[in-house]
Amino acid sequence: GQSLEQPSEVTAVEGAIVQINCTYQTSGFYGLSWYQQHDGGAPTFLSYNALDGLEETGRFSSFLSRSDSYGYLLLQELQMKDSASYFCAVLDNYGQNFVFGPGTRLSVLP
Amino acid sequence: NAGVTQTPKFQVLKTGQSMTLQCAQDMNHNSMYWYRQDPGMGLRLIYYSASEGTTDKGEVPNGYNVSRLNKREFSLRLESAAPSQTSVYFCASSARDRWAFFGQGTRLTVV
Repeated sequence: GQSLEQPSEVTAVEGAIVQINCTYQTSGFYGLSWYQQHDGGAPTFLSYNALDGLEETGRFSSFLSRSDSYGYLLLQELQMKDSASYFCAVLDNYGQNFVFGPGTRLSVLP
Repeated sequence: NAGVTQTPKFQVLKTGQSMTLQCAQDMNHNSMYWYRQDPGMGLRLIYYSASEGTTDKGEVPNGYNVSRLNKREFSLRLESAAPSQTSVYFCASSARDRWAFFGQGTRLTVV
């Protein structure tokens, strides 16, 4: 089966940089995606990696190392509005549905 | 571009009542999913549909049924609601091997 691990909580101050790690165990690999969810809201897509390396989208970047079964989401120039939960996800063995990590709650302090 | 639309947004049911959650996407995606999220928890897959005409069970299918009505629509039915089904339900869709787009969620309370 698939399993993903993330830290449960991360705290940082405004303007700082924070890294949220995700390790996964899969029988096959189709890509790692990241989502943001504010309290009371729906998950929204942030970033996607199918190949090794860094993908940059504005203040958010995501990194993947397939050989290490590891990825991370990097948030730069943190803002208060970045306080939310962040989930990583992989497609299952058949590439047919997403398996989500337990989520990391990010708190940004003034 | 509406993306993924879910109805209703809120619902209160009595134990034993039935209801259907509706979901529609306008992105021409083949795959659609139903997840539930309990407080402080991640997303757990209830059912998914990899293409029109096919549905498969996910991690927590008991007490639910689904219908992939056409390529756009994927509904979730609770035949006899139980308090354990109190949760937030999310519908999602995706193009294969890419990422998922989520609806706004349905907050269901079963009393």
